[in-house]
Amino acid sequence: DAGITQSPRHKVTETGTPVTLRCHQTENHRYMYWYRQDPGHGLRLIHYSYGVKDTDKGEVSDGYSVSRSKTEDFLLTLESATSSQTSVYFCAISELLAGGHNEQFFGPGTRLTVL
Amino acid sequence: QQPVQSPQAVILREGEDAVINCSSSKALYSVHWYRQKHGEAPVFLMILLKGGEQKGHDKISASFNEKKQQSSLYLTASQLSYSGTYFCGTENLSGTYKYIFGTGTRLKVLA
Repeated sequence: DAGITQSPRHKVTETGTPVTLRCHQTENHRYMYWYRQDPGHGLRLIHYSYGVKDTDKGEVSDGYSVSRSKTEDFLLTLESATSSQTSVYFCAISELLAGGHNEQFFGPGTRLTVL
Repeated sequence: QQPVQSPQAVILREGEDAVINCSSSKALYSVHWYRQKHGEAPVFLMILLKGGEQKGHDKISASFNEKKQQSSLYLTASQLSYSGTYFCGTENLSGTYKYIFGTGTRLKVLA
């Protein structure tokens, strides 16, 4: 299994509080992603990174920010959590291989509840 | 915009076949397929690059028709272990390594 961990695995917080989720990898992969998963919507891309300090927005980036100061860590921050951000958050990593693109390896997920 | 998957759900008996379709409104460079078991993370099945290729993995195969911007996943002689939710992930022609996933197809295989 790819070495990806997410912390915390579960979190309950209140509306208006800041929240930071961490994704840590030991694979030295260049690309890292944050997705949220909600019933009926599947996986939706929040932000992704294509290198240290290089990030870009996904489909549902409003209300979220990210940072990547080193290859192994990708942080997702909710500046002021809202109930609509209650979801399961998955981190994923991938690396480009010669001749094409590579699979994404997903972390175990973080279940976030905003009350 | 998310690619559209069909059907949304399917129930099979062991040994039956199924086809899951993924259709995009944008020109695609690649399509990925993943399976997710309940309460677990998605797991990679296969990737198809533009060029109309087909791939197979055991009794699961897929095709990619780039002109139609569609991909199909074929599950042959289904097994109980095939149960789960299947997602396609698409990458558009700009090649930004930005993958957009479909809404998923729930597949249940009964004994």
